[in-house]
Order: sequence, then structure tokens, then C-alpha cells
Amino acid sequence: AQSVTQLGSHLSVSEGALVLLRCNYSSSVPPYLFWYVQYPNQGLQLLLKYTTGATLVKGINGFEAEFKKSETSFHLTKPSAHMSDAAEYFCAVSDRTGRRALTFGSGTRLQVQP
Amino acid sequence: SQTIHQWPATLVQPVGSPLSLECTVEGTSNPNLYWYRQAAGRGLQLLFYSVGIGQISSEVPQNLSASRPQDRQFILSSKKLLLSDSGFYLCAWRPGLSNYGYTFGSGTRLTVV
Repeated sequence: AQSVTQLGSHLSVSEGALVLLRCNYSSSVPPYLFWYVQYPNQGLQLLLKYTTGATLVKGINGFEAEFKKSETSFHLTKPSAHMSDAAEYFCAVSDRTGRRALTFGSGTRLQVQP
Repeated sequence: SQTIHQWPATLVQPVGSPLSLECTVEGTSNPNLYWYRQAAGRGLQLLFYSVGIGQISSEVPQNLSASRPQDRQFILSSKKLLLSDSGFYLCAWRPGLSNYGYTFGSGTRLTVV
């Protein structure tokens, strides 16, 4: 079975500060990992994904995430927060067969203070 | 290019009334299709998924059902809505390849009154 844990349901940062959203996963086999962003009353949008290859993955809007197998983590970072980054962020894990649905974390709501 | 359509965007329904939410995907064939629900302040709950016409897997036993009458059409239904059915319903699709993430629809905000 797979599971995803996102530490902290809310995170508040100042504009220009580092954004760090934490995600740890549990999987019996090497997973595929995803980060999604959701703006109010909208569907989720894919930020980035890790499948194979380079463990540091760059996504849209200046976000990046690093897959650390030894720590079973896939934390999302952005060097400098912008007001437009305020949204809810979801980490998700998938098995490699494609037969199972993605398993999502419970989400972290990011607030950006001016 | 592929697109996903979900409607209606908002819906207010009385308790005990039926429900039908529709989702269609264009520009692809044989997609995997999913229905999720977000209740207020909660994460994403997988309701149903389908890997082909007439093939529906239910993740949570509840007051809802799903059908896939055509390859790119996924319908979420209820015969009698409950107050607890209120929430934000999201349809999603992905190719039958595991290294692709989902593409989500824009969601339906359902309020049962």
C-alpha cells in the first residue's frame, strides 16, 4: 500500500522568503511522485513530477522538488515566494503499473504575506 | 491537444433529489478516468476510477455511483442526495501509462440543502 504525508496543513511565509513544503511517502516499490497546486474553486494543476533520472526536478512557476530515496521524501521548494503562489499544494504518489489511482496527501495551504 | 470538460460548475440541490455530473475528455482514446471529492477543509477522496468502458472501481461505499457509457465519458450519479454529499467534485484523466500525472477538470461545487 502507498501513503503520503504532508507535514503542516498551513504554511505562512513573507513575500520573497523561501517556500518549503514537506512530503514524505511510503511505498513498497519505487514510486512516481507528483506535486499539484490548487487555486480556490479550481481543479488541480500539475507543478512537477519525478519518474526516473535526475532526482532534482524543476517545474512551473519557479518550483522544484528533490527526490530523496533514503529519506522517502519529495519536498517542494521555491527560493522566493510571490503573492501569486498563495494556494493549496498536494503531493501525490503513483505505483509504476498504472493500474492504481494516485494517492494524495492531505494538502498544505500556503499563505504569502506582503 | 487533450482537454477535459466537467459540468456544471456549481449546483445546489435539495436533500433527496437525484444527481448527475458529467465529465468528458477530448483528444485521446482509452483514458483512465477518475472522480474525486473534496469536502471543506479536507483532502482529496477518491470515489471511483475506470480503465475502460463499463469498468468501474469503487473506492468508498456510499450514496454515489459512476458509469462510463462511452470511452471518453464519465458520469457520477446519485438517486437521493444526502447533506453529506456536499463538496467539490473533481474529474481527472490520464493515459494508461503510470508515469503521467492526472489532468483535472475545473470541478463542480455541489451544495445539498
